[in-house]
Amino acid sequence: DTGVSQNPRHKITKRGQNVTFRCDPISEHNRLYWYRQTLGQGPEFLTYFQNEAQLEKSRLLSDRFSAERPKGSFSTLEIQRTEQGDSAMYLCASRERQGGGGIEKLFFGSGTQLSVL
Amino acid sequence: DAKTTQPPSMDCAEGRAANLPCNHSTISGNEYVYWYRQIHSQGPQYIIHGLKNNETNEMASLIITEDRKSSTLILPHATLRDTAVYYCIVRNTNAGKSTFGDGTTLTVKP
Repeated sequence: DTGVSQNPRHKITKRGQNVTFRCDPISEHNRLYWYRQTLGQGPEFLTYFQNEAQLEKSRLLSDRFSAERPKGSFSTLEIQRTEQGDSAMYLCASRERQGGGGIEKLFFGSGTQLSVL
Repeated sequence: DAKTTQPPSMDCAEGRAANLPCNHSTISGNEYVYWYRQIHSQGPQYIIHGLKNNETNEMASLIITEDRKSSTLILPHATLRDTAVYYCIVRNTNAGKSTFGDGTTLTVKP
């Protein structure tokens, strides 16, 4: 178990540029989540996948944001035409396949810190 | 998912028990209580969860009141490394996501 891996750890970009983050979940975890966190706040849900299907998207996920999880393995989160308000920590989490009971135990990566200048 | 209320901050002396409260007065019957913590510059880490019985693992104990409207996370012998933000979450078994509030910042002091 190598844990959830996120790359890059830090990203500095200029306003208007596109950025893409990658998340590699724990192998065989079927659910993958993206959260965003700003300083002093708890993580805010953005979207999640079950295998390759994107099942829910937050209203926070504007049309400049897109997430994919091809083949149900790693996931990417792209932000187009970045704005200064996009500056935040972007966290990825995965959850193993659950049997009955619906217990949700998330494993988080260390996040990607985005700074938009 | 039910909303939770936590104090914004707490202090604890090293070696003492840290008792972190969480209010979830609108919890429904099929909602579990989960606790996570987040150490600076890391992602949140799962600690423990429970439905209605008290639970204990190697990290902490979870005490849920009989009416399930509140719970307490207990770190029995807090160390400096337990300084973190602690999040209490209530989640429906069928929900797609876990909703985090702003948590309690616990500072363990020597």
